[in-house]
Amino acid sequence: GAGVSQTPSNKVTEKGKYVELRCDPISGHTALYWYRQSLGQGPEFLIYFQGTGAADDSGLPNDRFFAVRPEGSVSTLKIQRTERGDSAVYLCASRGGSEQFFGPGTRLTVL
Amino acid sequence: KQEVTQIPAALSVPEGENLVLNCSFTDSAIYNLQWFRQDPGKGLTSLLLIQSSQREQTSGRLNASLDKSSGRSTLYIAASQPGDSATYLCAVRLMDSSYKLIFGSGTRLLVRP
Repeated sequence: GAGVSQTPSNKVTEKGKYVELRCDPISGHTALYWYRQSLGQGPEFLIYFQGTGAADDSGLPNDRFFAVRPEGSVSTLKIQRTERGDSAVYLCASRGGSEQFFGPGTRLTVL
Repeated sequence: KQEVTQIPAALSVPEGENLVLNCSFTDSAIYNLQWFRQDPGKGLTSLLLIQSSQREQTSGRLNASLDKSSGRSTLYIAASQPGDSATYLCAVRLMDSSYKLIFGSGTRLLVRP
């Protein structure tokens, strides 16, 4: 497709469960970002990939959060032992030049 | 630590009004500033990007200004329309190599017909 896609669009899970969120960047974009947006707030940076490696993971809130990008394209954000406070919209963005292009997000609800 | 603040948090205006959204940031060492629009359930759409060396950018009815020394930017919307109703976010790009963005909390705009 022409833009960044994210799946699923909505995810409802129970406290303590494991979830995976997927991001398909724009083809050819080497840089990929994950952000988290809580209700009524702006997006907050989580992690940045340049190619296959995490160049900056300073925004990950704790060790329950992990992300991979094994082939330098699709990325998966993994959250272990989910907590109610993890409920938010998780946004992915990719960048080829200087501008980031955002996907529609995955709305995660932890019950 | 860079902090970005947007005022007001919400705004309701009648159709046809001109309006100004405000964004302030605490550290003037930014690479650029960007204004985004976010519709419910949708991702972010970039509206205007101002480089740190620029004072303003214009696109159609939108004009964004940047005063880096005072840590302020404004987004001016002329002749507002109901279709302009959305959340408007400003974000600054830091002077590091990651290109990561620091966002404000947004202004929710409602333009009443």
